[in-house]
Amino acid sequence: EAGVTQSPTHLIKTRGQQATLRCSPISGHTSVYWYQQALGLGLQFLLWYDEGEERNRGNFPPRFSGRQFPNYSSELNVNALELEDSALYLCASSRNRVMVNQPQHFGDGTRLSIL
Amino acid sequence: ILNVEQSPQSLHVQEGDSTNFTCSFPSSNFYALHWYRWETAKSPEALFVMTLNGDEKKKGRISATLNTKEGYSYLYIKGSQPEDSATYLCAFGGSNYKLTFGKGTLLTVNP
Repeated sequence: EAGVTQSPTHLIKTRGQQATLRCSPISGHTSVYWYQQALGLGLQFLLWYDEGEERNRGNFPPRFSGRQFPNYSSELNVNALELEDSALYLCASSRNRVMVNQPQHFGDGTRLSIL
Repeated sequence: ILNVEQSPQSLHVQEGDSTNFTCSFPSSNFYALHWYRWETAKSPEALFVMTLNGDEKKKGRISATLNTKEGYSYLYIKGSQPEDSATYLCAFGGSNYKLTFGKGTLLTVNP
């Protein structure tokens, strides 16, 4: 089966711009999670979508937002980019909404660089 | 703020050595403890999901134990091989339905 796919692989933006990152989950998975890994930090939970709805959100400002489409793919949007948004953004999917009891399957990530 | 601590931060071993690392997490509101292996230039790969106190899981030469009462999990690698070199992440799943990751243990196995 195809794994979780993310695009683009790399994204370069300048301060104040907006970025859109995309994720396609494994077929049959309805839950999609977004994580940020900034330099020197562990994976930080950003957002969780399931069945088209936002189910949980990490400690990030509202300029981090997203959505999940009817085919369960997802977008992460970051508005008003700041230098500290430079990070690796990972998407993961799991089979159902009981997220903590299911292993998560990760994509290769999008490396976002803010100049 | 929920703390998930992993130790050591990094580890160098020789091929054939056995090794172990620790993940410490809150002992309250526990739902699950995950272990992932993250090799350079690849995506994190799920190793184990453990939910019950006293759980032991095994996958080849890698095994893990769980103590939810005292809030720790051990990951063991028997007879380390160079291909085991990776960052090993643990993640705590609590009643807030999200995973909190530790910063990982970077394992380097020298041939």
